Order: sequence, then C-alpha cells, then structure tokens
Amino acid sequence: AQSVTQPDIHITVSEGASLELRCNYSYGATPYLFWYVQSPGQGLQLLLKYFSGDTLVQGIKGFEAEFKRSQSSFNLRKPSVHWSDAAEYFCAVGHNYGQNFVFGPGTRLSVLP
Amino acid sequence: GAVVSQHPSRVICKSGTSVKIECRSLDFQATTMFWYRQFPKKSLMLMATSNEGSKATYEQGVEKDKFLINHASLTLSTLTVTSAHPEDSSFYICSARLTGEETQYFGPGTRLLVL
Repeated sequence: AQSVTQPDIHITVSEGASLELRCNYSYGATPYLFWYVQSPGQGLQLLLKYFSGDTLVQGIKGFEAEFKRSQSSFNLRKPSVHWSDAAEYFCAVGHNYGQNFVFGPGTRLSVLP
Repeated sequence: GAVVSQHPSRVICKSGTSVKIECRSLDFQATTMFWYRQFPKKSLMLMATSNEGSKATYEQGVEKDKFLINHASLTLSTLTVTSAHPEDSSFYICSARLTGEETQYFGPGTRLLVL
C-alpha cells in the first residue's frame, strides 16, 4: 500500500532563512505529488503539484519542490521564509486517475521574527 | 478559479440532533467530491468519496448511516451527521476534484461542536 511520510513534525526557522520540508512516499509507479498548506482553522490551499515532466516545479508564494525518483522524495523549498508562512504543510500522493490521495502527517512550521 | 465553499463554517448543536454541511464548487464542475475529518493537530482522514448521481463510497470504519452523503449535482455535495454525539465534534473538510484532472481543491472546513 502506498504511504507518505513527513519526517519532521515541527520545524522552526527565522524569518528570512531558507526552508526545506521533507516528503517521502512509497508507491510502485510514478505518483501524482502535491503540497498543500493549511492555516489554523482553515481549509487546505494547493501550493504546487507534480504530474510529469520537469522534476523541479514552481508553486505559489515562492515555493518550489523537486521530485527525485531515486529517493522517492518530493521536498518543498523556499529560499526566504516570511512570517506569514507559519502554518501546517501537508504532502499528498495521488495515483491512478479516480483514486484518492494519501496524505502525510503534516509538518508544522513556526517562523521566528 | 477552482474555488470550493463550505457552509456553515461552524455549527454548535445539541446531542441527538442532525447537522447538514454543504460543499459547493463555485466555478467548476466536480464529478467527484471527498469528505474528510481532521482531529486537532492531525492529518486529514478520508471519510467518503462522493460521486455525482451515485452512492458515496465510504472508508472502512465510517458509519454510512450516521454520515449521510448526497451528491445531487455537479457543484453540490452534502454531508449530514445524523443523531450527532459529542464524539462527532470535529473539523470536517470537503474537497472537489476538477473533472478531467487529478487535483483536489479544498473547502475552508466546518467546525462542528456537539454539546
């Protein structure tokens, strides 16, 4: 069965510092990969997605992610974090059109002023 | 584009009553919608998959008679929590998949508190 891990439960960075959130998946074929962000008490907003093609994908709010097949990873990065980026980040894997996502447990990001 | 709304955003009800939550895709048609439940500081737990014009598919352990799902049109799915109890208190989030795409777009969530 497919699974998604986000090894870091909570990350704290200083404003202006770079950020990398890790996501690893377990799936036999190339999955569809997503990163969502959730602010407290809110729904999920799509940051970016990867289906095929260029393995480095750009998203909204200055985020990017890189698909590495050899490492089964899809890590999210941002070169300079803003205080408003403090939120919960979820990696999700989809597969075979029509099937549901599998979500990772989430990583909570705190940003120090 | 791809906006999903939920109504109400929060609801408080008495134990034993039923509560209906609406999920609407505002600017696109969604053949498939999903209902999730999220516990505090936890990830999303899929409850059911709702397909327009057919019965919902429930995940293992989710009581279909307690969580009634109706997907009567390509833009509306409803979740009714019947005979609600305090343990049903939670954050319920819906998502809609753009027909022909794999991406899910999420609603803002509904906070349910059962007293």
